[in-house]
Amino acid sequence: QVTLKESGPVLVKPTETLTLTCTVSGFSLSNARMGVSWIRQPPGKALEWLAHIFSNDEKSYSTSLKSRLTISKDTSKSQVVLTMTNMDPVDTATYYCARIRIVYYDYIWGSYRYAFDIWGQGTMVTVSS
Amino acid sequence: DIQMTQSPSSLSASVGDRVTITCQASQDISNYLNWYQQKPGKAPKLLIYDASNLETGVPSRFSGSGSGTDFTFTISSLQPEDIATYYCQQYGTFGPGTKVDIK
Repeated sequence: QVTLKESGPVLVKPTETLTLTCTVSGFSLSNARMGVSWIRQPPGKALEWLAHIFSNDEKSYSTSLKSRLTISKDTSKSQVVLTMTNMDPVDTATYYCARIRIVYYDYIWGSYRYAFDIWGQGTMVTVSS
Repeated sequence: DIQMTQSPSSLSASVGDRVTITCQASQDISNYLNWYQQKPGKAPKLLIYDASNLETGVPSRFSGSGSGTDFTFTISSLQPEDIATYYCQQYGTFGPGTKVDIK
């Protein structure tokens, strides 16, 4: 059974750095057809993709948040870590990690086709002093 | 960045009704479009990938179609358990969501 579980602080203060950990089971972070992404959702709002990391350590970040985000993985621990610096109350949200399943490589478009096929339960993070 | 729009933003329909949601991309994305269902208080669930492929285990009343910039998601016969918000997604972009309620 594939599962992902997010962990991290429930409350952070403005300007602090948030560190979230996604612990996966049922698949390996070294699987070439898999990756992990972080996605967040402010209360009552839509989903917002933050970052992803693939087995080959290829990383990508949201354009608007790139300067604040760092994603990394520890394959031996089956963990993916996201750090977000300079937290602000507008960053209050439920943070999800999700498995990326690569469907195929599109040679015409020169990119992977993928979907977020398994999601963690999410962890709510509040930014407040 | 590619922008995704969805319509309507919300809808109410009766049990058994056919429900259609549209998603439009700001530029040609071929058939690379996924659909997710999110029930209140729960994580999203993948329903459709690559515009029209039904994820394993998802009921056949759900379907998707389209390519280029215009896509459609359909529930052929709305069930009470389908009450949720539905999102389209392409790479790092999600649509704003469509909330589906029972009339």
